[in-house]
Amino acid sequence: QVQLQESGPGLVRPSGTLSLTCTVSRYSLSSGYYCGWIRQAPGEGLEWIGSLYHSGSSYYNPSLKSRVTMSVDTSKNQISLRMRSMKAADTAVYYCAMAAPHSPREAFDFWGQGALVTVSS
Amino acid sequence: DIQMTQSPSSLSASVGDRVTITCQASQDIRIHLNWYQQKPGKAPKLLIYDASNLQTGVPSRFSGSGSGTDFTFTISGLQPEDIATYYCQQYYNLLVSFGGGTKVEIK
Repeated sequence: QVQLQESGPGLVRPSGTLSLTCTVSRYSLSSGYYCGWIRQAPGEGLEWIGSLYHSGSSYYNPSLKSRVTMSVDTSKNQISLRMRSMKAADTAVYYCAMAAPHSPREAFDFWGQGALVTVSS
Repeated sequence: DIQMTQSPSSLSASVGDRVTITCQASQDIRIHLNWYQQKPGKAPKLLIYDASNLQTGVPSRFSGSGSGTDFTFTISGLQPEDIATYYCQQYYNLLVSFGGGTKVEIK
């Protein structure tokens, strides 16, 4: 069973940059992946941030695209998220997720437990 | 952008009831739709993929149907452990979006 674990700072200053890492266990990303980041503001619904394909293609939520970069480091088996110019409205639980290995469908079968990020001075 | 309109936003039903949630896409997404269950404080869990396919290990009382712009998620016989918020998610055209969610409670 694939496992994902997010890590990063719980507190980010306004206008600062968020850097989160998702470490994948029990599966090698070098074998292929479809993964993504999703966030959830307190008491709100799910918001897609972006997705990465093994081909190297990345796609982002148009409303966040100008501030977001996602990448995969297969040597460390990690998925990363960087979000610039953070503001209070970006306070949320951030989830990394991925599709089942070698699955033809684009669904998020596996999820991390989530990382709470608070934007505050 | 494709907008997903999910309804109702909340519902209350009795144990054993049939529960139906609908999701409407702002344009044709064929069958590129998934359904997730999220319990409080937990990550979402995939229940249905490609509109009607039951994820391995998910009880058969959960089902999905639809194509194009209109989709339905059904719980045939609500159980106490089904208390959660349910989300539809489309993945047409390489971009993803979620519905607003439906909170299911026991009456």
